[in-house]
Order: sequence, then structure tokens, then C-alpha cells
Amino acid sequence: GAGVSQSPSNKVTEKGKDVELRCDPISGHTALYWYRQSLGQGLEFLIYFQGNSAPDKSGLPSDRFSAERTGGSVSTLTIQRTQQEDSAVYLCASSLAGDRANEQFFGPGTRLTVL
Amino acid sequence: AQSVTQPDIHITVSEGASLELRCNYSYGATPYLFWYVQSPGQGLQLLLKYFSGDTLVQGIKGFEVEFKRSQSSFNLRKPSVHWSDAAEYFCAVLNQAGTALIFGKGTTLSVSS
Repeated sequence: GAGVSQSPSNKVTEKGKDVELRCDPISGHTALYWYRQSLGQGLEFLIYFQGNSAPDKSGLPSDRFSAERTGGSVSTLTIQRTQQEDSAVYLCASSLAGDRANEQFFGPGTRLTVL
Repeated sequence: AQSVTQPDIHITVSEGASLELRCNYSYGATPYLFWYVQSPGQGLQLLLKYFSGDTLVQGIKGFEVEFKRSQSSFNLRKPSVHWSDAAEYFCAVLNQAGTALIFGKGTTLSVSS
């Protein structure tokens, strides 16, 4: 079946602009995660959604970052007033809920470059 | 605080030789541990995971791990490396809330012929 998909695959933007990154999880997966992968910081957790529960936003680096998940499926990560340090690959993952050992399936990522 | 350390940034192994990638974790309770692989231009793929039971875990592609609680280690092993194993490998522990993976910095594996 289809895996996690993300769009766009690449995004180049100018400093100060807002960007939106999209994630389509695997059908039936109620848990959704955003991570960021950068050369300096490695893989970092950003935010977690599970069903209708309040999201875990503890990984968001600043209030310029926000995310929403509509209808328990598609998620959008928004970065406002982008900065050069926001350049990274943004990864989305999804998993079945109910078991901490459930595998997180990762999408191919969106490479964001802020000029 | 939970953390994962992968002390080797880059390892080169000859094709056919054995491989061990080191991972140490810091976690107060029973950890949920994972190894992921990332090939160039590809997403992260789960190799194996451990959370209880037999401490010797078999994963995909011939990889295995022996969980050693006394050493807080979760080292990834493979008896014979193939050129297609060249990739970046990440060890991770699930945070206590169960909401996020905490990753090590990764080890890049190169395979020489």
C-alpha cells in the first residue's frame, strides 16, 4: 500500500517568507509525527498528533513553527518568517496507535532551503 | 533525561566483513529501542526494535542486536556486510511520554570492495 507522502519534495524560499509543508500519513494511522533533520542538530522531534488528543508540541523550536492536522489525517507544518537556520529536511512519520512499540513509518521528507 | 549516543560518526568496512555499530542510551525505565537506516535520498527504514523479551533481536536485511541492560548498549551487528548496506544508521529510544523518538547523531557506513 501507499506509504507516507510529503509535499513538496523541495522548497526554496527567501528569508522572512512563510512556508507550508504537507504530510499525508498512511491510511488508518492515527499517530503522526514531525521531525527535522539538519547537519548540525541531527534528527529532532518537532510535534506529535494522536487522534483528537491535544498534540505534543514540546519539540517546536520557536513560536514561528506551528502544525495542524485536519480530520485526523493530513497534516501541515507551517513556518512563519523563515530564517536561514530553518534550512533542513522536514520528515513526517505515522504509526498505528495503542502500542508504544509500533513502528513509525517515515516519509521521504521535504528539503527546505532558506536563502 | 533520555538520550542516545552513537560514538562513531563514520565507519568503513570491507565487503564481506562483519559489522558492529555502537549505540548507548540513557533512560530511567525499560527502554523502547530502535535502529533505523537511511540510504542516500531515501526515507528512514526500520531495521529492528526491542522493548522486552529475548535480548537478542533479529531484524531485516540480516541485522541483529543484543540488548545489554547492564551496559546500556544496543549495538547493531551484521555477520557479513554487502555493498548495498552503505548508508546512515540511526539508533533511537522512544521518549517516556511515548510521543517521540530521540535519535542518536547517526553513523555513516561505507563499504569498500
